[in-house]
Amino acid sequence: EIVLTQSPTTTAASPGEKVTITCLASSSVSNMYWYQQKSGASPKLLIYSTSSLASGVPDRFSGSGSGTSYSLTINTMEAEDAATYYCQQWSSNPPTFGAGTKLELK
Amino acid sequence: EVQLVESGGGLVQPGRSLKLSCAASGFTFSNYYMAWVRQAPKKGLEWVATISTSGSRTYYPDSVKGRFTISRDNAKSSLYLQMNSLKSEDTATYYCARHIRGTGGYFDYWGQGVMVTVSS
Repeated sequence: EIVLTQSPTTTAASPGEKVTITCLASSSVSNMYWYQQKSGASPKLLIYSTSSLASGVPDRFSGSGSGTSYSLTINTMEAEDAATYYCQQWSSNPPTFGAGTKLELK
Repeated sequence: EVQLVESGGGLVQPGRSLKLSCAASGFTFSNYYMAWVRQAPKKGLEWVATISTSGSRTYYPDSVKGRFTISRDNAKSSLYLQMNSLKSEDTATYYCARHIRGTGGYFDYWGQGVMVTVSS
């Protein structure tokens, strides 16, 4: 099973600040997917196929990476971006998720 | 608008069974693979099961294989998860999700979730 390690575990950002979340895979994966989960809500797809924005997702979000290292970037933090973010792979079975990065508003 | 609405959760004793349902609307249900993903309290996400468009193929992780059964009724646009021999570690919120295949695969729409508590 491929283990995804996210960092940081928790972080805080001020409005307008740039935020980068990293996801390291224990083996090479071909694509990474990112989800946002706000408190008390279900996960929402943010990024698919490493760098494609899901429908309705603001363009301040972006994804990049390859092999074993991937990242999610929020170009300018907004209050509504406070949430927990998860990466996910399905290059090999079973699909796995990272443990999550909690992003708080400073 | 894609909508996924789960039901059937609740409190159940260890070793007993429970069946979850998911009513889908806003898309052609029979054209999509579907899945269940769970989240234990204050924990991360874990894939539980996936079913093909016709229902002929199903996939599970080792943690639930042999105990859980995913099924679907395309005429009713409904997805199900039969959970048998439940354990305390199955306590979680269970999400119904639409599964997009391709290079890998991912979940593009999620329901609001239904809570399952396994406790005596």
